Amino acid sequence: DADVTQTPRNRITKTGKRIMLECSQTKGHDRMYWYRQDPGLGLRLIYYSFDVKDINKGEISDGYSVSRQAQAKFSLSLESAIPNQTALYFCATSGGTGSYNEQFFGPGTRLTVL
Amino acid sequence: AQSVAQPEDQVNVAEGNPLTVKCTYSVSGNPYLFWYVQYPNRGLQFLLKYITGDNLVKGSYGFEAEFNKSQTSFHLKKPSALVSDSALYFCAVRVSGTYKYIFGTGTRLKVLA
Repeated sequence: DADVTQTPRNRITKTGKRIMLECSQTKGHDRMYWYRQDPGLGLRLIYYSFDVKDINKGEISDGYSVSRQAQAKFSLSLESAIPNQTALYFCATSGGTGSYNEQFFGPGTRLTVL
Repeated sequence: AQSVAQPEDQVNVAEGNPLTVKCTYSVSGNPYLFWYVQYPNRGLQFLLKYITGDNLVKGSYGFEAEFNKSQTSFHLKKPSALVSDSALYFCAVRVSGTYKYIFGTGTRLKVLA
């Protein structure tokens, strides 16, 4: 089974709808991240969490919110989706006491907002 | 500001030839640098990292990267490219004093048979 899973894998929705993307991990990592990927822009950080009680905004948090329900679960919500939120969304985790540990990524959620 | 640059959107190389995918960085403090690969319809996979020590770092699938402090570069290399190496490659740097990472815009590698 995959260490980092994301649901749904694909979603088409309409402008103004509320959408939730879910991420679960079995790696036991404390740190979890949400990124969006757009062609030519690479990955940009939306939100990150270093433990259940810690939530931080990334560089493009406007229009998004998150919830860390447990160490293993980190959800991303679009309160009122708009077309420029059409993108590929990735959840990632990292862990360990070293500050140089690599991240592990989920398979991604392709979101289309019409 | 801390940043990562991948100056080439796409790199084409013939199978069997050596490949290089370029990355330059700007950070304060010691750089922690990473390379990831993304295959179609997949998430990013970790290839290798530079933390300290030898400037030549070896990673997965025969890839290696050379850290050059004076040129602030961390280029990804492979002596002999395979068609299966065709993918999107991302360079990333850890933001000093945090657990956040900045990613480059990605370089698409095409290995031609």
